[in-house]
Amino acid sequence: SQTIHQWPATLVQPVGSPLSLECTVEGTSNPNLYWYRQAAGRGLQLLFYSVGIGQISSEVPQNLSASRPQDRQFILSSKKLLLSDSGFYLCAWDGISGNTIYFGEGSWLTVV
Amino acid sequence: LAKTTQPISMDSYEGQEVNITCSHNNIATNDYITWYQQFPSQGPRFIIQGYKTKVTNEVASLFIPADRKSSTLSLPRVSLSDTAVYYCLVGEAGGYNKLIFGAGTRLAVHP
Repeated sequence: SQTIHQWPATLVQPVGSPLSLECTVEGTSNPNLYWYRQAAGRGLQLLFYSVGIGQISSEVPQNLSASRPQDRQFILSSKKLLLSDSGFYLCAWDGISGNTIYFGEGSWLTVV
Repeated sequence: LAKTTQPISMDSYEGQEVNITCSHNNIATNDYITWYQQFPSQGPRFIIQGYKTKVTNEVASLFIPADRKSSTLSLPRVSLSDTAVYYCLVGEAGGYNKLIFGAGTRLAVHP
């Protein structure tokens, strides 16, 4: 069966520090991968999606970036965090049907 | 991509049936309708998906009229544990899904 994992689960980072969130999918190959962000009490905002290794599409201009160095690995990064980067970050992948996506456990980021 | 509109919040009581309607006037021929449920501090969880008419599973039913411009998620006999945010999404089959989540409907179930 397919599983998705992301880490770390929570982190507190000072303004201006770098960020790296990692996501891996198991049990499938060539998945579409996504990064979403959810501010407290708000809906989900699509940040990046990837249809293959090295292929990244950005939905929202910001100081975040994403990379896909391997087929089932998706990384969200920042060189210098802003207070507004705080939120709940979710990695997701496409289901076999192509119309359903499955989410990881999420990562809580607090920028102080 | 079809945009969806759904109520911001709803209240219900345990044991009642809850119907949440979503409007998607610009739905395309290839688009499927999918509903997700999200609890606090968790990722959204797939509930049900349909293309037309009615779909039922062990959790919910999904009603889709012939014009497919709206859909209704029906939760039978809700319990306190059904308190969550429910999202309606419309997306195309195949790759490049780029599924866009709206604000969702915050359902509160009361004793």
